Amino acid sequence: GAGVSQSPSNKVTEKGKDVELRCDPISGHTALYWYRQSLGQGLEFLIYFQGNSAPDKSGLPSDRFSAERTGGSVSTLTIQRTQQEDSAVYLCASSSLDGARQTQYFGPGTRLLVL
Amino acid sequence: AQSVAQPEDQVNVAEGNPLTVKCTYSVSGNPYLFWYVQYPNRGLQFLLKYITGDNLVKGSYGFEAEFNKSQTSFHLKKPSALVSDSALYFCAVRDIASGTYKYIFGTGTRLKVLA
Repeated sequence: GAGVSQSPSNKVTEKGKDVELRCDPISGHTALYWYRQSLGQGLEFLIYFQGNSAPDKSGLPSDRFSAERTGGSVSTLTIQRTQQEDSAVYLCASSSLDGARQTQYFGPGTRLLVL
Repeated sequence: AQSVAQPEDQVNVAEGNPLTVKCTYSVSGNPYLFWYVQYPNRGLQFLLKYITGDNLVKGSYGFEAEFNKSQTSFHLKKPSALVSDSALYFCAVRDIASGTYKYIFGTGTRLKVLA
């Protein structure tokens, strides 16, 4: 595809339910990042993938959050037993090479609302 | 620790006037600095980056940024603001220390260009 895509664009769920958020990076991009954008919290890093491995999971807020990446492409962020404080916009980004100089390209985000 | 500060929550400017959105940084080693813009209900769009070389970096939509090492600043500028420039602007530094190259974002500055 031409850019990073994410689905669903919006998700409303009830407290306690599990949700899965999907990210399709730009074809050929090996590095993939998940960020969360919360009101009053700004943008925070969640997890980083290089290929299918996740060398940095330091931003995941709790063990209810997990992510995987398969085939070096699509990534899924899963939130189990959702809580109201999980409500945020979840952004995915990818870059072509792993390195400081590379620009990250962001998807449109998934807006999650936990009732 | 690497960090970025955007001291202004909001900047108002009249259409046609020059605009400046401020960003200061704190890094160990060489700074890799980025500006992104976010329009309502959309993901982050890359504007420009400083890696090395000329201190004045030109980017998309007529924006430019000046890297000032002595003041540890990377302010975003545009000579003549447009109403369509109204958006949320984020400054980011690449986290070199962690080895993952994730972004560390500022809290964002909302730019309002008044007609």
